[in-house]
Amino acid sequence: AQSVTQLGSHVSVSEGALVLLRCNYSSSVPPYLFWYVQYPNQGLQLLLKYTTGATLVKGINGFEAEFKKSETSFHLTKPSAHMSDAAEYFCAVSKSGSARQLTFGSGTQLTVLP
Amino acid sequence: NAGVMQNPRHLVRRRGQEARLRCSPMKGHSHVYWYRQLPEEGLKFMVYLQKENIIDESGMPKERFSAEFPKEGPSILRIQQVVRGDSAAYFCASSPTAAYQETQYFGPGTRLLVL
Repeated sequence: AQSVTQLGSHVSVSEGALVLLRCNYSSSVPPYLFWYVQYPNQGLQLLLKYTTGATLVKGINGFEAEFKKSETSFHLTKPSAHMSDAAEYFCAVSKSGSARQLTFGSGTQLTVLP
Repeated sequence: NAGVMQNPRHLVRRRGQEARLRCSPMKGHSHVYWYRQLPEEGLKFMVYLQKENIIDESGMPKERFSAEFPKEGPSILRIQQVVRGDSAAYFCASSPTAAYQETQYFGPGTRLLVL
């Protein structure tokens, strides 16, 4: 069974500082990896995804993530945090097989301090 | 192109009542997924449907929960005889194909509160 671990349920950064949100996955086959963002009382919005090809993936709002197979990681980064980045971030994985469901991590709440 | 629509956005039920949650997928999408988000937790898969067919219901509780996606109209998630533990946010997602790398587009969710 596949699983997703997000280290740090709460992360605080200062405005303008680097954002680093960690995601590790366990999968016996190469996975497809996703980062979603959820603003309060809203649905999830896709930030970026990795399927195949280039391991550094660029997404919306200046976010990017790098797939590292050797480390089974897909960490999300942004060079400079904005106040509007405050939200909850979810890493998710799907893989070929019988199920098309997404398996989500437990989420990381990002707080941006002025 | 309108996004995934869910209604109602908020639903309050007393224990023992029925809850019906509706989901209209994005135009052109025929694959629908339901997820549940308990407080302070991530989303958990419940069921995957295509038009008129349940493809994967491995995440659905065995009792009281059912889902359908009729030929015409929205997908419905039905919870009978609700209990307090059913209080959660229920999200619907849709996709245009069944490919594993396909993006799932999420609706705003229905927040169910059971009194």
